[in-house]
Amino acid sequence: AQRVTQPEKLLSVFKGAPVELKCNYSYSGSPELFWYVQYSRQRLQLLLRHISRESIKGFTADLNKGETSFHLKKPFAQEEDSAMYYCALKSYNQGGKLIFGQGTELSVKP
Amino acid sequence: NAGVTQTPKFRVLKTGQSMTLLCAQDMNHEYMYWYRQDPGMGLRLIHYSVGEGTTAKGEVPDGYNVSRLKKQNFLLGLESAAPSQTSVYFCASSYGSGGAYEQFFGPGTRLTVL
Repeated sequence: AQRVTQPEKLLSVFKGAPVELKCNYSYSGSPELFWYVQYSRQRLQLLLRHISRESIKGFTADLNKGETSFHLKKPFAQEEDSAMYYCALKSYNQGGKLIFGQGTELSVKP
Repeated sequence: NAGVTQTPKFRVLKTGQSMTLLCAQDMNHEYMYWYRQDPGMGLRLIHYSVGEGTTAKGEVPDGYNVSRLKKQNFLLGLESAAPSQTSVYFCASSYGSGGAYEQFFGPGTRLTVL
């Protein structure tokens, strides 16, 4: 079965603290994983994808096939990072649909 | 480029009414998708299209119909709205289906069915 799990509904940290948003997946094969961000009442935007191994807005994510995880990390959180974060897995069927986790709301307090 | 646009932004319907949501993209993308976003459930695929004139069912297609008469437009129809269809609807488009191809999302349509 193809599935994405984000165990935390809400993550609250103080500005400057490290952040880790957890994502675990279930997939038979080589997964293609993404992190999308949705700021308040805005559209979803691609934050990063594992194949490009890039760092966007200070965020990084490493694919760990042994633990089937793709956790999103940032060493020093900023208030503007407050948003909804979705981990997504590219499906091998249904037109390459994205399978989304439930989302984690990140709240960064001053 | 406007990217992916959706019309309308908000709508309130009564049970049994019908409506059509319009999605338009100006990126010449082949693939288009309709998702619904419900609290605590992430986004789920309703229908998708891999090209002009083609449509297919996603995970939660019941109660919805779609059409892709023009490459740039993907319409989502509700023939007889039900309260369970209260949701935020997102359209997305992509050049291809592989992992290298990003899905671009529209701003969403917030639908309430009373």
